[in-house]
Amino acid sequence: SAVISQKPSRDICQRGTSLTIQCQVDSQVTMMFWYRQQPGQSLTLIATANQGSEATYESGFVIDKFPISRPNLTFSTLTVSNMSPEDSSIYLCSVEGHPSGANVLTFGAGSRLTVL
Amino acid sequence: AQTVTQSQPEMSVQEAETVTLSCTYDTSESDYYLFWYKQPPSRQMILVIRQEAYKQQNATENRFSVNFQKAAKSFSLKISDSQLGDAAMYFCAYRSTGANSKLTFGKGITLSVRP
Repeated sequence: SAVISQKPSRDICQRGTSLTIQCQVDSQVTMMFWYRQQPGQSLTLIATANQGSEATYESGFVIDKFPISRPNLTFSTLTVSNMSPEDSSIYLCSVEGHPSGANVLTFGAGSRLTVL
Repeated sequence: AQTVTQSQPEMSVQEAETVTLSCTYDTSESDYYLFWYKQPPSRQMILVIRQEAYKQQNATENRFSVNFQKAAKSFSLKISDSQLGDAAMYFCAYRSTGANSKLTFGKGITLSVRP
């Protein structure tokens, strides 16, 4: 079974709508990270989500646009709100330390969003 | 802020040959971690190899090895005996040792393998 499961794998969305991406880990982890990968680009960190506290957002990303939930140590969601075509990207969830060891990030397979 | 630079956007290698992918980084820290990740068309990010900055010995993982030059802030990846399955985007990444530190990626390089 997969270490990190992301849903949906891909989706096509209409402008102005919102979509929630789920990330499920098969083991309890302290820190979960959400990344965005725009077409042909590298990965950019959106926010860090720790269980029991509000997510910490990177410069250029705000909670109103990318609300994150972290209800327990194995699950997180990222919502992309009021989408525009510029939000078309792959969104990746990652965790630290499982199963590749401390200080190593393991990634989910990503969720490819296309906004029309 | 730390930066990671991959100046080569694309490279090509003949199957069974050796290829080296370049990466440089900028940091004022003395201890940190460096990584190479592979992203095939399936888009799954896969850890290829990692290096702790305090270790002088270059990391190796089967056909993959690095040339870590701390003073020059250089971290290149050598792939030996290239295989068709090595074709992918490769990302160099940096992470400091501090709590809650983030992983900073380079722009990536697309590697193609010619049969």
